[in-house]
Amino acid sequence: QVQLQQSGPGLVKPSQTLSLTCVISGDSVSSNSAAWNWIRQSPSRGLEWLGRTHYKSKWYNDYAVSVKSRISINPDTSKNQFSLHLNSVTPDDTAVYYCARSPNPRIGEADEFDYWGQGTLVTVSS
Amino acid sequence: EIVLTQSPGTLSLSPGERATLSCWASHTVSGNYLAWYQQKSGQAPRLLIYGASTRATGIPDRFTGSGSGTDFTLTISRLEPEDFAVYYCQQYGSPPCSFGQGTKLEIK
Repeated sequence: QVQLQQSGPGLVKPSQTLSLTCVISGDSVSSNSAAWNWIRQSPSRGLEWLGRTHYKSKWYNDYAVSVKSRISINPDTSKNQFSLHLNSVTPDDTAVYYCARSPNPRIGEADEFDYWGQGTLVTVSS
Repeated sequence: EIVLTQSPGTLSLSPGERATLSCWASHTVSGNYLAWYQQKSGQAPRLLIYGASTRATGIPDRFTGSGSGTDFTLTISRLEPEDFAVYYCQQYGSPPCSFGQGTKLEIK
């Protein structure tokens, strides 16, 4: 049974960096048959995929165009986890952030999400 | 980016009734890579259907996905009390993936 446990601050000041971590159990961050994603949800934007990392002979990262200049998703194989870093945040980045797994990812393509973390409400405010 | 439009916005039904939720895509969903999720208040979305019609692990057979191209449907044959929630469709045939705005299924 795959489980994803998120952690990170719920309040970030404008212009600073939002950082969240997702610890994986029941699977491996370096599995060839899974991708590890960050998705956010807000009343104004709905559900929005932000990006993913996955390993298939080498590491791949894909990011949404809307955040591409500000985002980094990094795997940590020693702790079997992955992290989200979103810099230069504004109040528009206020949302519930989820980590999620994609089974059998296709390189350069999009996927469905079969396991999700519990969600973290991140508020951007001074 | 493919835009998904879900209808209706809110559906009011009683337990035991049949629910039909629709999802329209602005362009053809390649490979019929269309998924449905259920989300209850305060919880993460739960995958119900992928590939337009394949039930995810542990999903009861009262949930059925159908459709192809640009028109997709989620049918719940006999509503149980735990089925009242918000439902989202997601296309993953053309990157980036995109989600519909959701249909709220409420108790009448």
